[in-house]
Amino acid sequence: KAGVTQTPRYLIKTRGQQVTLSCSPISGHRSVSWYQQTPGQGLQFLFEYFSETQRNKGNFPGRFSGRQFSNSRSEMNVSTLELGDSALYLCASSYGGRPGELFFGEGSRLTVL
Amino acid sequence: EDQVTQSPEALRLQEGESSSLNCSYTVSGLRGLFWYRQDPGKGPEFLFTLYSAGEEKEKERLKATLTKKESFLHITAPKPEDSATYLCAVQEARASGGSYIPTFGRGTSLIVHP
Repeated sequence: KAGVTQTPRYLIKTRGQQVTLSCSPISGHRSVSWYQQTPGQGLQFLFEYFSETQRNKGNFPGRFSGRQFSNSRSEMNVSTLELGDSALYLCASSYGGRPGELFFGEGSRLTVL
Repeated sequence: EDQVTQSPEALRLQEGESSSLNCSYTVSGLRGLFWYRQDPGKGPEFLFTLYSAGEEKEKERLKATLTKKESFLHITAPKPEDSATYLCAVQEARASGGSYIPTFGRGTSLIVHP
């Protein structure tokens, strides 16, 4: 069974630009969550999608947005990038019956210059 | 105040030297506690779920235990390949938006020297 796939793995952007990250969950997993990981803050929850609906949102500014498609694939977008947005962005999928057991992708490493 | 606190932040062990990692939590009601392993440059890998005090789970050299206020990850006779960051996450019994979002601790970085 294929794992969670995230693209791109690495990207470099400059301040003010915007970025879109993609996530393909494990087949059969309908919940997709996004996390930001930095050395200073650890893993911070961004948002969760289930059946194309955002069910939960973390404490991040509106520059961070996401969506989920009918095939459960998800994208997140960050607009007007700031230096502090440099981080590892992780996508995780889960099976509906076990919401806390997350299966993570390898992440997208974003560097903002 | 952090809901999930892991200690120590970093731990260095010699191969074969057993030890324990701690995860303490302050949520009012626990739905589940989860342990993950994260290797450098990779996403966390799910290890265990614990639901109630007294529960234990084992996998190879790892054993996770749970009390009403904390969980321990015991590592018996570790090997260098056990070197990783171990993350603990807690899920409150109170749902938000119809789901239960786990809160992660900052992790313990474990290095096992040969």
